[in-house]
Amino acid sequence: DAGVIQSPRHEVTEMGQEVTLRCKPISGHDYLFWYRQTMMRGLELLIYFNNNVPIDDSGMPEDRFSAKMPNASFSTLKIQPSEPRDSAVYFCASSLGQGETQYFGPGTRLLVL
Amino acid sequence: GQSLEQPSEVTAVEGAIVQINCTYQTSGFYGLSWYQQHDGGAPTFLSYNGLDGLEETGRFSSFLSRSDSYGYLLLQELQMKDSASYFCAVRPPGRRALTFGSGTRLQVQP
Repeated sequence: DAGVIQSPRHEVTEMGQEVTLRCKPISGHDYLFWYRQTMMRGLELLIYFNNNVPIDDSGMPEDRFSAKMPNASFSTLKIQPSEPRDSAVYFCASSLGQGETQYFGPGTRLLVL
Repeated sequence: GQSLEQPSEVTAVEGAIVQINCTYQTSGFYGLSWYQQHDGGAPTFLSYNGLDGLEETGRFSSFLSRSDSYGYLLLQELQMKDSASYFCAVRPPGRRALTFGSGTRLQVQP
């Protein structure tokens, strides 16, 4: 299995630009999570989906952030407009059913100048 | 809510045993998980304690005591490749997402 795939791996953009992060979960997994990691706030949940339906988006910072999962094999996290404080590593993870293990992708390192 | 506390850094030598503690204040959770993250890498699952007691997986063991609001990860026969950050995490009731501790950076010295 290829594991969770994320793209791009690195993104450098300027403040005000739109940023789109992409994730392909492990085939067959029914849960998909978006986490963000920073030195100040650690690893925190942004949003998660079950069977393509958003379940909990309480971690989404503000209206500038949006996430979609149009099908079981693809999800996007969009930031519009981006700000320097959005600079972080964004991880996508997936899991199966009642299993406790979450499988993380390699992350997208975002730098907003 | 959930609050998990871990030491920020731990240093040990190759071949030694190290224990990384995780104390928590939470209204309830399903179990305690541990993840390892190397610099520049992604978190990877190490172990899970759904019940009180010790779980062993090779050189790694994890322990949970709900009555003491405490858990730990035990790493034996330390190797240089064990140098990484280790995170404890809980899954609150009715929620599939994890709440992570702040992480413990382990440095293994020769």
